[in-house]
Amino acid sequence: AQSVTQLGSHVSVSEGALVLLRCNYSSSVPPYLFWYVQYPNQGLQLLLKYTSAATLVKGINGFEAEFKKSETSFHLTKPSAHMSDAAEYFCAVTGEKMNDMRFGAGTRLTVKP
Amino acid sequence: ETGVTQTPRHLVMGMTNKKSLKCEQHLGHNAMYWYKQSAKKPLELMFVYNFKEQTENNSVPSRFSPECPNSSHLFLHLHTLQPEDSALYLCASSHSGTTNNEQFFGPGTRLTVL
Repeated sequence: AQSVTQLGSHVSVSEGALVLLRCNYSSSVPPYLFWYVQYPNQGLQLLLKYTSAATLVKGINGFEAEFKKSETSFHLTKPSAHMSDAAEYFCAVTGEKMNDMRFGAGTRLTVKP
Repeated sequence: ETGVTQTPRHLVMGMTNKKSLKCEQHLGHNAMYWYKQSAKKPLELMFVYNFKEQTENNSVPSRFSPECPNSSHLFLHLHTLQPEDSALYLCASSHSGTTNNEQFFGPGTRLTVL
């Protein structure tokens, strides 16, 4: 079955620094990949998605992710962190089965002033 | 209302109570989901409904009973819960028919079982 692994349950960066959140996937079919963000006491909000078009995907709030098949990765980046980026981020994969999205365990991003 | 709404946002109940969580989607989707999100644990898929038919039940205890009367509404009926059932319960919806559809989430119901 498909799965994703998010390396690092907690990432801390300074305001203005590069944000890099790691996600590796496992899939028996070409995957569709997603990044979601969750702010405290809220649901998950879609940041961006890869659905086999361009390998570099741009999302909301200045985030982007690059699909690398050779590395089975879909890491999320943002050039300059802002205090408002502090949240939990989830990577997810689908494609093997309809209505079956698999989520990673999440990475909590802290942004220091 | 737009998107996916959930009521109530917060719920405190005793172990002998019966309560229900409600989810409504205004996106024209055909699939709806219940997830459980506990502290320090991955998101757990509980139930999936596709065109009002339950297609997935991930070994959820019978004290959780879902109901999907139509493609826009989803309920989770709760009875004789345990303290370990305290969590954030998230509802989501998506289009159906392909495997690349993203899910849209509601804000969740924070459930506390005393």
